[in-house]
Amino acid sequence: GAGVSQSPSNKVTEKGKDVELRCDPISGHTALYWYRQSLGQGLEFLIYFQGNSAPDKSGLPSDRFSAERTGGSVSTLTIQRTQQEDSAVYLCASRDRDTGELFFGEGSRLTVL
Amino acid sequence: AQKITQTQPGMFVQEKEAVTLDCTYDTSDPSYGLFWYKQPSSGEMIFLIYQGSYDQQNATEGRYSLNFQKARKSANLVISASQLGDSAMYFCAMTLGGYNFNKFYFGSGTKLNVKP
Repeated sequence: GAGVSQSPSNKVTEKGKDVELRCDPISGHTALYWYRQSLGQGLEFLIYFQGNSAPDKSGLPSDRFSAERTGGSVSTLTIQRTQQEDSAVYLCASRDRDTGELFFGEGSRLTVL
Repeated sequence: AQKITQTQPGMFVQEKEAVTLDCTYDTSDPSYGLFWYKQPSSGEMIFLIYQGSYDQQNATEGRYSLNFQKARKSANLVISASQLGDSAMYFCAMTLGGYNFNKFYFGSGTKLNVKP
């Protein structure tokens, strides 16, 4: 596709379950970012990838959160043993190497009951 | 530490009037880029405008212009002739250094409401 694709668009899960969120960036974009946005709030940086490596994981809130990227393309954000405070929209973005612009996906809305 | 500050949580503007959304930033890096994004209620993030730290002139994109005051470290967004469709959250963001290997710092956002 032409844009950043995220799945699922909506996920409702029970507290304590694990979830995986997927991001498929724009082809050719080597930098990929994950952000979290709670209702009505700003963007909280989680992690970013350059190729398959993650130079900056400083935003991951706890060791329940992890992310990987394979083949320099698709990335998966995994949240283990979900808590209610994990409920948010998880936004993925990839970056145009030439312009520096971030292109965002439509987000994955996670609700932990 | 680098950071972006948006001091206006919410603003109202009358349709067809101009509005300025404030953004200040803090960095000691001489090379940086400043971005504005719009997020309507649908949730998508829409790129509006970009200003590089070495750019001599203020960036403009249609009805959007960026009032870049380097000495004050401010990068205010000016929207001319506001339209109802401009009602949205607006985020200021900063990136450091070159185009690669950098984190985007986002402000907390300003919610703009355009009144008819």
